Amino acid sequence: GAGVSQSPSNKVTEKGKDVELRCDPISGHTALYWYRQRLGQGLEFLIYFQGNSAPDKSGLPSDRFSAERTGESVSTLTIQRTQQEDSAVYLCASRIRTGNNSPLHFGNGTRLTVT
Amino acid sequence: AQSVTQLDSHVSVSEGTPVLLRCNYSSSYSPSLFWYVQHPNKGLQLLLKYTSAATLVKGINGFEAEFKKSETSFHLTKPSAHMSDAAEYFCVVSERSGGSYIPTFGRGTSLIVHP
Repeated sequence: GAGVSQSPSNKVTEKGKDVELRCDPISGHTALYWYRQRLGQGLEFLIYFQGNSAPDKSGLPSDRFSAERTGESVSTLTIQRTQQEDSAVYLCASRIRTGNNSPLHFGNGTRLTVT
Repeated sequence: AQSVTQLDSHVSVSEGTPVLLRCNYSSSYSPSLFWYVQHPNKGLQLLLKYTSAATLVKGINGFEAEFKKSETSFHLTKPSAHMSDAAEYFCVVSERSGGSYIPTFGRGTSLIVHP
């Protein structure tokens, strides 16, 4: 497929459990972003990867959140000891190159529900 | 630092009448600006982008936006609304901050189209 792929599409987990969300960016896209969208709200930046550079983690809300990306391939977002306030749609986007004028291409997101 | 304000959380129009979704931005340098649309239970789709070329930008589905530097605005318009335009619309500003290019999203405007 040509688009950004995210899995799972839906995830229900119990409070306190760890979850791992996956993002496959568009091939050749060097930049990858994770955003969080709470119900009825805008997108909240979490973390940004650019090639092999150190990621920009300035948006991560707590140390329970972490993400990895190897080179320009798959990224995983991990949330440890999930809380109910973590319930949201987690969106991944990739960009063909760094710079501010290339658009983001979004996946369909992972809807996380913490019970 | 960059920020974006969408002045209306909801806009309601009748089918066939004009659409205006307002967006003001704050940016330290020359930003790139985007509008994205999110239909219910679907991913975010790029409508149009401004990257310092023509100030009037045409996008998909008959939408257009005008960059007005003096007013720091990038309002989205469409001459005639269609029922299929009902969706959430996000205004986005992107500029370099430190070594990162992190697009910042507005809170979104919900467009409601009445028959």
